[in-house]
Amino acid sequence: EVHLVESGGGLVQPGGSLRLSCVASGFTLSSYWMNWVRQAPGKGLEWVANIQQDGSEKYYVDSVKGRFTISRDNTQNSLYLQMNSLRAEDTAVYYCARETNGYKSSRYYYYMDVWGKGTTVTVSS
Amino acid sequence: QSVLTQPPSVSAAPGQRVTISCSGSSSNIGNNYVSWYQQFPGTAPKLLIYDNNKRPSGIPDRFSGSKSGTSATLGITGLQTGDEANYYCGTWDSSLSAGGVFGGGTQLTVL
Repeated sequence: EVHLVESGGGLVQPGGSLRLSCVASGFTLSSYWMNWVRQAPGKGLEWVANIQQDGSEKYYVDSVKGRFTISRDNTQNSLYLQMNSLRAEDTAVYYCARETNGYKSSRYYYYMDVWGKGTTVTVSS
Repeated sequence: QSVLTQPPSVSAAPGQRVTISCSGSSSNIGNNYVSWYQQFPGTAPKLLIYDNNKRPSGIPDRFSGSKSGTSATLGITGLQTGDEANYYCGTWDSSLSAGGVFGGGTQLTVL
């Protein structure tokens, strides 16, 4: 069975750092792009970042550029999110999600078909 | 402020049909495929519709999706109380700040 399990969340002070991990099982991580998506308390989903299969291509939402770094270790079946200079507005449940993408009829398809249960990050003094 | 626009809430009676709209632009919905996700409180999102109108294995055909221009619609027929959840549309935005985008979410209430 396909699973994603996040860990590494916790309470951190503003300006601090945290590293989230996501371990994949039941599928070959190296075959998929992977994403981080977050959800602030009582709010909707916000896409954070994604990374290509070999780690060579990455995208970030503007609000985390320069502060967060997505990475992966396919040999360890793991995805990571290094979060620096954390702010109160980064408080959220962070989900890792498997991505499927490609082109059909010159249009791009992109969706997340497997999600972890999430890990909670709280930024507060 | 989400890139994709959804109504905050919709409601309908059991057995009825409801639709949830998702409006975007040429850089996202207009030129890319749309997906929909269902989320119950305290749980992770679940893929409901992909490629505008395809259902993953295990999703009943009461759920359907469509797209026209820069808007997409999720339809749910034969509403059940168990359908009460938040629904999100999503796609890729191909603008200068390329990345995934979601709608703000729609809370479905089955009266």
